[in-house]
Amino acid sequence: DQQVKQNSPSLSVQEGRISILNCDYTNSMFDYFLWYKKYPAEGPTFLISISSIKDKNEDGRFTVFLNKSAKHLSLHIVPSQPGDSAVYFCAAIPGGGGGADGLTFGKGTHLIIQP
Amino acid sequence: EAQVTQNPRYLITVTGKKLTVTCSQNMNHEYMSWYRQDPGLGLRQIYYSMNVEVTDKGDVPEGYKVSRKEKRNFPLILESPSPNQTSLYFCASSLDRQETQYFGPGTRLLVL
Repeated sequence: DQQVKQNSPSLSVQEGRISILNCDYTNSMFDYFLWYKKYPAEGPTFLISISSIKDKNEDGRFTVFLNKSAKHLSLHIVPSQPGDSAVYFCAAIPGGGGGADGLTFGKGTHLIIQP
Repeated sequence: EAQVTQNPRYLITVTGKKLTVTCSQNMNHEYMSWYRQDPGLGLRQIYYSMNVEVTDKGDVPEGYKVSRKEKRNFPLILESPSPNQTSLYFCASSLDRQETQYFGPGTRLLVL
């Protein structure tokens, strides 16, 4: 059962417009959420995170929104730039301890920025 | 430079031939973890370690072993590799499990 879902395998956006990447989760124990960006032949790199006590976190062109009641988060990139073309992974960590409590990743969304 | 290193970056082997993929971090991180990335499946955790001599299974531990004898190193061992372990492997580390994880560059493994 997939606990973190990214339902769009790919997304194409024009340069300069807004990119919106979506992520849904099912485990109500998740209390910390992260977005990672991955280029081919490289490891994922951290982009932005949000704690469950917040509903928004902003860092430059990147904003993450969290809707706990809907178990949904989204990453907004504005304006989109060619260098943003990459695979974006949504990830979540449960609160408390014990168990296989590392990051649980979604399957990723391949963002393509069109010139 | 703060980093996570993995070796080798690419490896082709045959079924049943034991192999080890090394992982080292220079950030004095307590938490280390191994993931595999497969098409359509995203990243899945294999094993993790909260500290020296403390390791535990992740979501897909079958066929793998790990050890954590020193804080900086966290090798992944495949005692008898099989073709279904052909994958892209990432090691990661963080101060603790709730902190941002830093990933190595990946090891692409092909088991024939």
